[in-house]
Amino acid sequence: GAVVSQHPSWVICKSGTSVKIECRSLDFQATTMFWYRQFPKQSLMLMATSNEGSKATYEQGVEKDKFLINHASLTLSTLTVTSAHPEDSSFYICSARVTSGRAYNEQFFGPGTRLTVL
Amino acid sequence: QKEVEQDPGPLSVPEGAIVSLNCTYSNSAFQYFMWYRQYSRKGPELLMYTYSSGNKEDGRFTAQVDKSSKYISLFIRDSQPSDSATYLCAMLKAQGGSEKLVFGKGTKLTVNP
Repeated sequence: GAVVSQHPSWVICKSGTSVKIECRSLDFQATTMFWYRQFPKQSLMLMATSNEGSKATYEQGVEKDKFLINHASLTLSTLTVTSAHPEDSSFYICSARVTSGRAYNEQFFGPGTRLTVL
Repeated sequence: QKEVEQDPGPLSVPEGAIVSLNCTYSNSAFQYFMWYRQYSRKGPELLMYTYSSGNKEDGRFTAQVDKSSKYISLFIRDSQPSDSATYLCAMLKAQGGSEKLVFGKGTKLTVNP
């Protein structure tokens, strides 16, 4: 159980185009999902917290107008990279948090999406 | 100073060796301490998490937390080639009504047959 999928797994696009990445919790509902970015040989950095039915909360330094997050249902969050540029090339990973009633609510991670902007 | 520091390695050991992975942190607000395993081009997978200082064991894995020193460790006994992956430490803190996981850079481990 607790499987999170992402689509697409990789995408190559031209500079200036927009790219949408989907994150789905397949066998549980998640009121909260998280979006991370990972550059080569760097740690995962939290970009934003996505809450179902409300606006996402962005980390300092992350442009909310560039990285649009929509969490329209309890099983789906989308990240749209608008007007992508080569510096946006990275590995984008989402996670979905299980509300279990335990002290620690585990985040389950998707397999990631490799974005390359030419 | 980064909130979480982790030596990126790489670390290469023979099969059967005991592996020791470590992280230090600077923020006393961290409440939970995790170890994740990440295979190449995959998302992280939770191995273990701990809350208090001390040891927690799960099979061949032991997680150790020393809050007074702000130091956590993961030990892998009888390491296997299938343990070859990048190991990330992560720490959880409350933030503005939600929570935030802060990751180390990860240590790349190779276990040679």
